[in-house]
Amino acid sequence: SQTIHQWPATLVQPVGSPLSLECTVEGTSNPNLYWYRQAAGRGLQLLFYSVGIGQISSEVPQNLSASRPQDRQFILSSKKLLLSDSGFYLCAYLTGVTEAFFGQGTRLTVV
Amino acid sequence: KNEVEQSPQNLTAQEGEFITINCSYSVGISALHWLQQHPGGGIVSLFMLSSGKKKHGRLIATINIQEKHSSLHITASHPRDSAVYICAVRVHSNYQLIWGAGTKLIIKP
Repeated sequence: SQTIHQWPATLVQPVGSPLSLECTVEGTSNPNLYWYRQAAGRGLQLLFYSVGIGQISSEVPQNLSASRPQDRQFILSSKKLLLSDSGFYLCAYLTGVTEAFFGQGTRLTVV
Repeated sequence: KNEVEQSPQNLTAQEGEFITINCSYSVGISALHWLQQHPGGGIVSLFMLSSGKKKHGRLIATINIQEKHSSLHITASHPRDSAVYICAVRVHSNYQLIWGAGTKLIIKP
């Protein structure tokens, strides 16, 4: 069966430090993978999506980047975190026309 | 206007009450998902609906495709049900996800 793992669950990082959030999928190949961010009081917004290794589409220009080094691995990164990068980040795997699988999410606090 | 609207934004109820959370959308969809976000932040997928009604324990989810509306019901609510409930729709045109802003539910003992 398909499962998706996202870590860490919580993270506190100082301003200016780097960031790496990892998402991996099991039980499928060539998944369509997504990173979302939830700002306070708002719905989750799409940051990046990937349909294959090395293929990244960005929806919102910002201080973050994404990479897909392996078929079932999707990484969200930043070289230097800003206070405004604080929020809840969610990785998702969408398949077919209806199904979606979600990571547990990461709550990032930049201090 | 957001394409996915949830109501209410916040809901406080007493233990045992019947809870209804609503989700309305303005786009054509292929499916609607209900998720629970725990106070610590973790996400749990509750239901995926394309039509009709689903039940799991004390949770019931319904969808009316013609009216573009879904409801999540909790029967015999309990303090452990306190969480943020989020609906998300897969858009029919591109199968992407659009998210509601969430409903924060607090159940008091």
